[in-house]
Amino acid sequence: GENVEQHPSTLSVQEGDSAVIKCTYSDSASNYFPWYKQELGKRPQLIIDIRSNVGEKKDQRIAVTLNKTAKHFSLHITETQPEDSAVYFCAATKSNFGNEKLTFGTGTRLTIIP
Amino acid sequence: DAGVIQSPRHEVTEMGQEVTLRCKPISGHDYLFWYRQTMMRGLELLIYFNNNVPIDDSGMPEDRFSAKMPNASFSTLKIQPSEPRDSAVYFCASAQGIAYEQYFGPGTRLTVT
Repeated sequence: GENVEQHPSTLSVQEGDSAVIKCTYSDSASNYFPWYKQELGKRPQLIIDIRSNVGEKKDQRIAVTLNKTAKHFSLHITETQPEDSAVYFCAATKSNFGNEKLTFGTGTRLTIIP
Repeated sequence: DAGVIQSPRHEVTEMGQEVTLRCKPISGHDYLFWYRQTMMRGLELLIYFNNNVPIDDSGMPEDRFSAKMPNASFSTLKIQPSEPRDSAVYFCASAQGIAYEQYFGPGTRLTVT
């Protein structure tokens, strides 16, 4: 089955600086890669996702890049703000292969230092 | 839509007791997922359903755990008998498909003493 590794497990960034979280996946057939944000005591919520037919996607201050050859994808947050402090999870799955489950990474705890 | 609804929000029970967690998915979503989250093990998929049929229960820890989805608008996760190591936050999520956004419920915080 799919295996997703996520690094780093913790990340502290000065407010206003950029943060980058990286994930690798094992199954070359995976084609859907979402990122979820979980604030303390809250539920995980999707912040951005990318499909394998594109290499990059942006939404305001967040972006995701995908390198299919190397089987890794990254989350980039620019101009970080205190409200970006949370745990971020990457995930991967393959659609069009029947009922394949979404495999999550182990999470990155991002702390924004004011 | 009110989103995914879970009940109870908090449950405290004694070891050996039966615990039932409930979930109402978003109307029209064909997929329902049950997750368990702890500090030590992170976010674990326990089981998921497609059109009320269990598809993958490989994450269910042991026979003490069971899940049902009798209709498109209701699912239960039961633990019998409960043990202290079952203490965790249990999330239910629903989605239109595997490769679509999963909408998580608020979670049930279970404490087994």
